[in-house]
Amino acid sequence: DVQLVESGGGLVQPGGSLRLSCSASGFTLGNYATHWVRQAPGKGLEYVSGISGNGGNKYYADSVKGRFTISRDNSKNTLSLQLSSLRPEDTAVYYCATSSSYDLLTGYFHYWGQGTLVAVSS
Amino acid sequence: DIQMTQSPSTLSASVGDRVIITCRASQSISTWLAWYQQKPGEAPKLLIYKASSLESGVPSRFSGSGSGTEFTLTISSLQPDDFATYYCQQYNSYRTFGQGTKVEIK
Repeated sequence: DVQLVESGGGLVQPGGSLRLSCSASGFTLGNYATHWVRQAPGKGLEYVSGISGNGGNKYYADSVKGRFTISRDNSKNTLSLQLSSLRPEDTAVYYCATSSSYDLLTGYFHYWGQGTLVAVSS
Repeated sequence: DIQMTQSPSTLSASVGDRVIITCRASQSISTWLAWYQQKPGEAPKLLIYKASSLESGVPSRFSGSGSGTEFTLTISSLQPDDFATYYCQQYNSYRTFGQGTKVEIK
């Protein structure tokens, strides 16, 4: 079965850092562009970041540009998101999702993980 | 950036009702549009892609239509399992989600 499992969430103080991971099983993650989407408590979905299948192209929403870094290790079938300079408004459930395409720019989100909660508070 | 606007934000309906949700794009996205269903505490689930293609395993009471800037998601006969929040997403240029439409029990 296709499965995506996120980990690494938790409580962190403003200005702190956290590293999220997304582990894939049942398919080859490197065949697809992969993305991070977040959802603040009681709010809608926000597209945060994406990376092409080979890792050569990356995208960041303006709200996280310069603070978050996306990466992937296709040999380990994993995706990561390094969160730095965290703000209270970064508090959200973070989902990883695979695209239907290898290309970063195209493709809908075919498979989703269950999400990991990041809470930024002092 | 492409903006996506859904209407209504909340919809009250009864089991058996026909439900229509609208999604508008700020510029033409051809048919590069997907619809997702999300229930509380769960990840979003893909329903429709390329505006009108039904994802495998999704009941046929769900259908999508539209192109360019105007799109609709229709549930032909609302079932108890369908009370949820629905999001449209454009994938013509990076990704943008609509703000969501919550379908609640009337």
